[in-house]
Amino acid sequence: RKEVEQDPGPFNVPEGATVAFNCTYSNSASQSFFWYRQDCRKEPKLLMSVYSSGNEDGRFTAQLNRASQYISLLIRDSKLSDSATYLCVVIPANAGNNRKLIWGLGTSLAVNP
Amino acid sequence: DADVTQTPRNRITKTGKRIMLECSQTKGHDRMYWYRQDPGLGLRLIYYSFDVKDINKGEISDGYSVSRQAQAKFSLSLESAIPNQTALYFCATSGSGSGGEQYFGPGTRLTVT
Repeated sequence: RKEVEQDPGPFNVPEGATVAFNCTYSNSASQSFFWYRQDCRKEPKLLMSVYSSGNEDGRFTAQLNRASQYISLLIRDSKLSDSATYLCVVIPANAGNNRKLIWGLGTSLAVNP
Repeated sequence: DADVTQTPRNRITKTGKRIMLECSQTKGHDRMYWYRQDPGLGLRLIYYSFDVKDINKGEISDGYSVSRQAQAKFSLSLESAIPNQTALYFCATSGSGSGGEQYFGPGTRLTVT
C-alpha cells in the first residue's frame, strides 16, 4: 500500500457544484497534514493545513479522520479558477527533526462553465 | 517580486553536460529543498538543507549534488546530465518550525537530449 493515496480523477464538475476529495494515508501515527494546489506546469502552493478539529477557509473545508486514516477537502460553490490538481501531504510520525513530507500524486479537478 | 526564484526557467542540454540550477529566496527561511516532478511519479525530494552547514540527501540524490552558498541560496548540479533527468525541478523553502508549509519557486523545466 502506498503511504499516501489519492484518486487521480479527473473530477469534472459544473460551476457552483460542491466537490470533495479524499486522501488516505497508511501510517496511523502520522502527525501533520496539508493540502496544496498545483496549476498545470506551475509550482505547488499551500492551500491549507488540516487540523484535528478540521478547518475552514472560505469555500474550502479540510477535515481529518484519524480512525479511517484519511483527510478530505471540500470545495463549495466551485469556480472555474478552482480547476487544478490538489495534492495531499502527510508528515509521518517517524519524521523526527527532518519532518520529511510524503506527497500524494494529486487529484485533478476541472470546473466547467 | 517573487519570494522564491529559480534560474533558468527552461533549459535544454545534451547528455553528459554539467548543468547548475539556482534558487534564491527572500523569505528568510533556514530550510531549503530541491524536488523533481515527473508525470505519474509526483514530487520527489532530491536534497534538502536545514541551514548553511547542513546538507542531506533525499530519496533520489544519485546523479545530483547541491551547494548551499548562503542562507538565501541553494543550487542543484547535474554533473553529467542523462536523458532520464528530464523533468520539472522545484526549489522550496520552509521556516524552522513549519515543516509542512513549504513555499515553492516557479520551477525549471529541464530537457536532456
